[in-house]
Amino acid sequence: EVQLVESGGGLVQPGGSLRLSCAASGFTFSSYEMNWVRQAPGKGLEWVSYISSSGSTIYYADSVKGRFTISRDNAKNSLYLQMNSLRAEDTAVYYCARDGLLPTPSYGMDVWGQGTTVTVSS
Amino acid sequence: SSELTQDPAVSVALGQTVRITCQGDSLRSYYASWYQQKPGQAPVLVIYGKNNRPSGIPDRFSGSSSGNTASLTITGAQAEDEADYYCNSRDSSGNPLVVFGGGTKLTVL
Repeated sequence: EVQLVESGGGLVQPGGSLRLSCAASGFTFSSYEMNWVRQAPGKGLEWVSYISSSGSTIYYADSVKGRFTISRDNAKNSLYLQMNSLRAEDTAVYYCARDGLLPTPSYGMDVWGQGTTVTVSS
Repeated sequence: SSELTQDPAVSVALGQTVRITCQGDSLRSYYASWYQQKPGQAPVLVIYGKNNRPSGIPDRFSGSSSGNTASLTITGAQAEDEADYYCNSRDSSGNPLVVFGGGTKLTVL
């Protein structure tokens, strides 16, 4: 079964750090580009970051650039998001999502984890 | 432009047809994908590309595109289709790389 399982969420004070993990199974992780997407309470989906299959190409949303770092370990079938200098507005459910191997101009994230909740509060 | 615009809420009578739209400049370069999200659950991809459904998605879901507007159509809406629907695409500017619409809350009456 194709599956993504996030972990590492929790309560953290403003200015603190947290590292999220996403464990992949049921597919060849090293062949897929991956994303982190978040959803603040009662709000819509917001793309956070992207990493290519090899890890050589990375993009961030402006809202997290310079504070968050995406990485992956293909040997461990795992995706990570290191979050530093956290702010109240980073409070959200964080999902890891797989980029479907779709030819341009098609696009889509075809597999999602169940999400992990990050709360930034004093 | 890095925005995709959706109507916040749409309603449909049980068994009728409903169209949910998404507008944005990036849709002139990329097809939209559509996601269904029910309360407390992760999003699920329901349409991608020109009009493709992942395995397991009912054929009452279909997609179309014209110019800067993409549409998700549900033909014969069922009670279980009540959910939030989000459109999504790569952004033609590349910054941000990916954009989501604000979401449409679908109510099945």
